[in-house]
Amino acid sequence: NAGVMQNPRHLVRRRGQEARLRCSPMKGHSHVYWYRQLPEEGLKFMVYLQKENIIDESGMPKERFSAEFPKEGPSILRIQQVVRGDSAAYFCASSPQQWTGYSNQPQHFGDGTRLSIL
Amino acid sequence: SQELEQSPQSLIVQEGKNLTINCTSSKTLYGLYWYKQKYGEGLIFLMMLQKGGEEKSHEKITAKLDEKKQQSSLHITASQPSHAGIYLCGAGYNNNDMRFGAGTRLTVKP
Repeated sequence: NAGVMQNPRHLVRRRGQEARLRCSPMKGHSHVYWYRQLPEEGLKFMVYLQKENIIDESGMPKERFSAEFPKEGPSILRIQQVVRGDSAAYFCASSPQQWTGYSNQPQHFGDGTRLSIL
Repeated sequence: SQELEQSPQSLIVQEGKNLTINCTSSKTLYGLYWYKQKYGEGLIFLMMLQKGGEEKSHEKITAKLDEKKQQSSLHITASQPSHAGIYLCGAGYNNNDMRFGAGTRLTVKP
């Protein structure tokens, strides 16, 4: 998993604070996907971004969550006014081209950020 | 209901034993991806299957996709403690998001 870099690995926040999670895709990849893994649940898609564009945010909660992937720098997943239910592992994946069900290559995942809300 | 159902949910085997994990889709698959996740870590890509009847192997792990492309199995031969972890199958149905099964937690007892 050395290719996709996520930081921090662990993040602790108090209720009401903001959480910022960062993801640097693999070299040469310009497509980034964010997933959330709740305790004892599977991975759920949140958002798909290309550089400077949000392509698909159908899995994002409508409030408090936002994502960006600027021209320079990592992709950021931002959670405002965190609540206990936001505690989860957040994973970022990347691909060199837009990934679809027809793709002949996988999405490559980072090690995730484990967010804990006190 | 989930599009991808994995079974069993958890599996405990003695080192050296063979085991099989299944992944069943409610719809025809275009591609099926197997990942392994160790506790507290990220997902490691294992194998991808696209053609009906396709079979791939990597070291002691073999994955197959059935002819109808609605079920895949992951088989581990002579399991070792290093095989322990959570095995996830993933597939694409819509454009951009990979859907995952709930995972199979494998424990290998030395």
